[in-house]
Amino acid sequence: AQSVTQLDSQVPVFEEAPVELRCNYSSSVSVYLFWYVQYPNQGLQLLLKYLSGSTLVKGINGFEAEFNKSQTSFHLRKPSVHISDTAEYFCAVGETSGSRLTFGEGTQLTVNP
Amino acid sequence: DGGITQSPKYLFRKEGQNVTLSCEQNLNHDAMYWYRQDPGQGLRLIYYSQIVNDFQKGDIAEGYSVSREKKESFPLTVTSAQKNPTAFYLCASSHPRGDYGYTFGSGTRLTVV
Repeated sequence: AQSVTQLDSQVPVFEEAPVELRCNYSSSVSVYLFWYVQYPNQGLQLLLKYLSGSTLVKGINGFEAEFNKSQTSFHLRKPSVHISDTAEYFCAVGETSGSRLTFGEGTQLTVNP
Repeated sequence: DGGITQSPKYLFRKEGQNVTLSCEQNLNHDAMYWYRQDPGQGLRLIYYSQIVNDFQKGDIAEGYSVSREKKESFPLTVTSAQKNPTAFYLCASSHPRGDYGYTFGSGTRLTVV
């Protein structure tokens, strides 16, 4: 079985500052990793995913994430955030042999002017 | 365009009444899922179905029921046995290939009045 820990429940930042949302996972088998974003009163949308190959993954809206196998981490970064990035972000892990995902508890990113 | 449709967007229920939330997908996905979302508690799995006419309980199935008579549809009934039904409910589906991740609906907000 796998698990996901999002290390920060809330991250406040100022507009145009860089941000990192941290995600650690635990699994005994090969995994796929995902980041989703949820705006208020909406469903989750896929930001990016790591399947294999290059450990740096680029996604939509200028976000990127780095897979670190030795540290079992998949942190999400953006060099300069906008007010519109205010949302909840979920990290998820799934075994390569299946299709079910395990989600983290979520990180609320609030971008202040 | 393919996707998942949840209806209605907002739902009000009187205490003691059952209510059914609709989830329809045209993605030809085999697996479908229902999650409950409360503030600060992430996503909690209620039920999931990996194939027509079969479904399994998730972590918080008590007070809920589902059916999967068609591949496209996975309705969730919130029964009067659910003690605290006010929440945001999300439906998702997944392709058999795990690298696709989940596709989510836009959610239904249920309020007990």
